[in-house]
Amino acid sequence: SQQGEEDPQALSIQEGENATMNCSYKTSINNLQWYRQNSGRGLVHLILIRSNEREKHSGRLRVTLDTSKKSSSLLITASRAADTASYFCATVQGGSEKLVFGKGTKLTVNP
Amino acid sequence: NAGVTQTPKFQVLKTGQSMTLQCAQDMNHEYMSWYRQDPGMGLRLIHYSVGAGITDQGEVPNGYNVSRSTTEDFPLRLLSAAPSQTSVYFCASSPRRGGSISNQPQHFGDGTRLSIL
Repeated sequence: SQQGEEDPQALSIQEGENATMNCSYKTSINNLQWYRQNSGRGLVHLILIRSNEREKHSGRLRVTLDTSKKSSSLLITASRAADTASYFCATVQGGSEKLVFGKGTKLTVNP
Repeated sequence: NAGVTQTPKFQVLKTGQSMTLQCAQDMNHEYMSWYRQDPGMGLRLIHYSVGAGITDQGEVPNGYNVSRSTTEDFPLRLLSAAPSQTSVYFCASSPRRGGSISNQPQHFGDGTRLSIL
């Protein structure tokens, strides 16, 4: 079964606005990863946050992790049309070598 | 480095035909995996390998076989294709540190788009 579930399924915003996507997961984790997928392409790793971290930044990306609620959020600030893509969270099920993905959030940034 | 290379990019099969999807990586990664992506379903893990000669099942292994004879290659075989296997297939690889992929970003190929009629 899939570990992560993203919310919302789709998000449409204007250029310059912030975009927030949420991910919930089911079991304990060591870390959580976010990936991006442009249309017709493979996934690209964006950021990894460890279970002992609460917040992490990378450029215009801000990721938070709340292990007590088993949830994470990805914030993209000052969005650009080029940020249009699908975004996925992924976790390794505890003790396994299986990286499990959520169903993703499709982000559209309108110029 | 080419990264992760998948071939072919597109393929159309008839029900019952067999096919091998190729995946090669030139980063000397121990870990390789196959996913399928269907609309509204995200990515689902089919099979994975933690090194040459070692493979294991993921979430949706039925109808697929894999082998890992070298570090570089991880082919996915469909022995008797079914319409339900119409999907986009992605291969990924990563190092393993301390015997785990837990902290390792995955490197993905650009996918094989497979249609089964």
